[in-house]
Amino acid sequence: GENVEQHPSTLSVQEGDSAVIKCTYSDSASNYFPWYKQELGKRPQLIIDIRSNVGEKKDQRIAVTLNKTAKHFSLHITETQPEDSAVYFCAAIGSSYKLIFGSGTRLLVRP
Amino acid sequence: DTGVSQDPRHKITKRGQNVTFRCDPISEHNRLYWYRQTLGQGPEFLTYFQNEAQLEKSRLLSDRFSAERPKGSFSTLEIQRTEQGDSAMYLCASSLQAQNTEAFFGQGTRLTVV
Repeated sequence: GENVEQHPSTLSVQEGDSAVIKCTYSDSASNYFPWYKQELGKRPQLIIDIRSNVGEKKDQRIAVTLNKTAKHFSLHITETQPEDSAVYFCAAIGSSYKLIFGSGTRLLVRP
Repeated sequence: DTGVSQDPRHKITKRGQNVTFRCDPISEHNRLYWYRQTLGQGPEFLTYFQNEAQLEKSRLLSDRFSAERPKGSFSTLEIQRTEQGDSAMYLCASSLQAQNTEAFFGQGTRLTVV
């Protein structure tokens, strides 16, 4: 069945440094890969997404890359700020059209 | 408010009781998902609908769980004979079917079984 694995589970960086979170997916028919940010006590909110017809997408300090051959995609946050501290989830939609999430990465940006 | 809304926000129930949660998706969204989230974990897929049709239910989901979306608009999730292990945040999300677009989440219903 469909599965999404996410690493690392926790990530601590110094303010201003970059953070990278990686995910792999099992369903080769997956074609949509969103990333969500969830702050404590709040709902997950989309921060960026990518479709399978592109390899990279950027939005200010956030970028996502997709390698369809290897079935993995990554989130890159540059110039991290304390307000980037949150839990980040990758997800994928596969052939069954259901949205499957990774287990999450808790990012801590140290001032 | 034009976002996804869930009711109630919090529910405390005694073990063995039945509970029902409601989700009102964004009006034009035809896909609706239910997830369960426990502390420190990602949203765990429970079931999803396309319009009124329930397309898939997680194999991990016990028969005590049932969901409906009778008119293709709001949805309900019922848990019968609740157990302490059912304590979690239950999240609903909705999206447009076309081109696999962003899923918007509701605030969730936090269930505590005592």
